[in-house]
Amino acid sequence: KAGVTQTPRYLIKTRGQQVTLSCSPISGHRSVSWYQQTPGQGLQFLFEYFSETQRNKGNFPGRFSGRQFSNSRSEMNVSTLELGDSALYLCASSAAAKNIQYFGAGTRLSVL
Amino acid sequence: GENVEQHPSTLSVQEGDSAVIKCTYSDSASNYFPWYKQELGKRPQLIIDIRSNVGEKKDQRIAVTLNKTAKHFSLHITETQPEDSAVYFCAVLYSGGGADGLTFGKGTHLIIQP
Repeated sequence: KAGVTQTPRYLIKTRGQQVTLSCSPISGHRSVSWYQQTPGQGLQFLFEYFSETQRNKGNFPGRFSGRQFSNSRSEMNVSTLELGDSALYLCASSAAAKNIQYFGAGTRLSVL
Repeated sequence: GENVEQHPSTLSVQEGDSAVIKCTYSDSASNYFPWYKQELGKRPQLIIDIRSNVGEKKDQRIAVTLNKTAKHFSLHITETQPEDSAVYFCAVLYSGGGADGLTFGKGTHLIIQP
C-alpha cells in the first residue's frame, strides 16, 4: 500500500503570494489532518477533513484554508503569505477519526 | 484546548543505557496518547501508542506508561542503540471544543553517545 503522498516537496514563494499544497492519503483512509512544523512552535494542528467536510480547526488565521475531494485527496491553501509561514507542512491520514495517523514526508515552504 | 508539556528537551545517554521522556497534559477527557519518532529530514513515524483504558504497553525495547489520575505519560527506551537518536514527540488526542486533532509536545532530542 502506498503511503501518504505530499506534493510538492519544496516551495519558494514571496510575501503576499498564495500557495496550494496537496496531500494524497493512504488508500481507504478518509480522514486527513494538516499540521505546521516550525523549530519554535513545534507541530501545530491546522485542520482535519473527513468525507469532504472540515470537522475541526486549530488556532490559525483565516488565511489558512483547505478542502477535501471525493477521493479523499486534500489540498491546503495559504493566502497572502507572510515570512512567518515558512515551515514544514505535514499531512496525516487515518482510516477513521481518532485512529492512528500516518504522516506524509511534508512540503517545505520558504517565504522570502 | 489541550496543553501538552514534554521534558526534557534534550536527553543524552550512553549506548546501552535507558532513556525516559515524560509528558503531561491538561484535559482529562483526552483518551489517546501516541509517540512519534522523527529522524532528521524525515516524516514523524508512530512508534507506540496507548489508549486511556490501559496503564502500560510494551513493544520490544519500547514501552509507554500512562497515569490518568496525574495526567502524565512516559516513553521508556531500554538498551538504547545509535539508531534511536532522533527527536521524539508525544501527542494527545483532544476531543471537543472545535479542535479535534493531535496536540504535540515540543519534542525531545535524544542523543545516543557511543
